[in-house]
Amino acid sequence: EIQMTQSPSSLSAYVGDRVTITCRASQSITTFLNWYQHRPGEAPKLLIYAASTLRSGVPSRFSGSGYGTDFTLTISSLQPEDFATYYCQQSYSTPPEPTFGQGTKLEIK
Amino acid sequence: EVQLVESGGGLVQPGGSLRLSCAASGFSFNDFGLSWVRQAPGKGLEWVSFISGRGDNTYYADSVKGRVTISRDNSKNTLVLQMRSLRVEDAAIYYCVRDRMETRVDRFDYWGQGTLVTVSS
Repeated sequence: EIQMTQSPSSLSAYVGDRVTITCRASQSITTFLNWYQHRPGEAPKLLIYAASTLRSGVPSRFSGSGYGTDFTLTISSLQPEDFATYYCQQSYSTPPEPTFGQGTKLEIK
Repeated sequence: EVQLVESGGGLVQPGGSLRLSCAASGFSFNDFGLSWVRQAPGKGLEWVSFISGRGDNTYYADSVKGRVTISRDNSKNTLVLQMRSLRVEDAAIYYCVRDRMETRVDRFDYWGQGTLVTVSS
């Protein structure tokens, strides 16, 4: 099983801040890496797929990068609606055994 | 508009069984793979199972293998997760999730609101 490790596990920031969340895979997953946002009481939402492709409709302040084992999600200027938990997820495994990072909870400072 | 609506959750005793359903609409159902993903209380997301668009390939997480069966009825646009020998650690919100691909897990592009499974005596 490919292990996904996110850091930090939690993060406090102000509206307007730039924040970066990292995700590390236990082996190379090339660009088979997706990012999700999960607000309490709501369904998770896909933000970025294939490591760096912004899903249609997702604000451009979100961006992703990385290849192999190390990936980042960056929010360029935090908005109030961005405070949520973020998960990375790999889809490299064959047969399918997708795994998520443990999550990064982003809170208002 | 893509919609996924789960049902069937509830309280069950350890060792019991439960059948979760997901009614889908707004897309060509058999063109997309589907998964169940769960979130235990206070925990992160965990993939449970995947079924291909035609239903001819199924995959399971090790944590549920042998106790869970995923199936789909493409004539009724319905996804089912039959769970048996339930354990306390199976308690979670179970999400029905559409995959962008038909035959493999790629990215989970639409999620239902989830159905809560509680396992307790």
